[in-house]
Amino acid sequence: DSGVTQTPKHLITATGQRVTLRCSPRSGDLSVYWYQQSLDQGLQFLIQYYNGEERAKGNILERFSAQQFPDLHSELNLSSLELGDSALYFCASSVGLNEQFFGPGTRLTVL
Amino acid sequence: GEDVEQSLFLSVREGDSSVINCTYTDSSSTYLYWYKQEPGAGLQLLTYIFSNMDMKQDQRLTVLLNKKDKHLSLRIADTQTGDSAIYFCAENPQGAGNMLTFGGGTRLMVKP
Repeated sequence: DSGVTQTPKHLITATGQRVTLRCSPRSGDLSVYWYQQSLDQGLQFLIQYYNGEERAKGNILERFSAQQFPDLHSELNLSSLELGDSALYFCASSVGLNEQFFGPGTRLTVL
Repeated sequence: GEDVEQSLFLSVREGDSSVINCTYTDSSSTYLYWYKQEPGAGLQLLTYIFSNMDMKQDQRLTVLLNKKDKHLSLRIADTQTGDSAIYFCAENPQGAGNMLTFGGGTRLMVKP
């Protein structure tokens, strides 16, 4: 158990819908990262927050957004969902600049 | 496409050593990482190596880094069936926040 929690574990929804994925980092970790894992794209970095501020942005679609709240938990919002958004979404957290600890992931299925 | 490359598959017998290889692209990466993913599970950080090191040993795991060739390897001694999983190497490119760029993963199968 990495100490990073993610909810829900599974999510099934329809095209065009909007969902919110939630992540709670390890106690004391200020940085939160979101990654997407899909069969065709592999593991891709989406976005990083540090203590509530956006720190780095990767291959995140405009339909996706994220935020980190004062209690350091983070949410990833995915809207206008398409079939191709079906993937595993991982959250990770770190206290410094090296070790990132990953949560168990949220499996999103878009039908 | 990925900037970090790994072979797709490796099969070994229980008790043998496994060597998983990785080539990366960003010579300025400060740290290089190995993660393990078991079926249906998240990514488990196995080990990492600082870029000014050539080797790091941690129990059954040995990481070798060749900066000149941008080559990273993970050796697992006395491989067990519980080591069967997908192994990902990752680099931490400079100037990119603290994002990780992952390889495509190597599926290790350990036969009894």
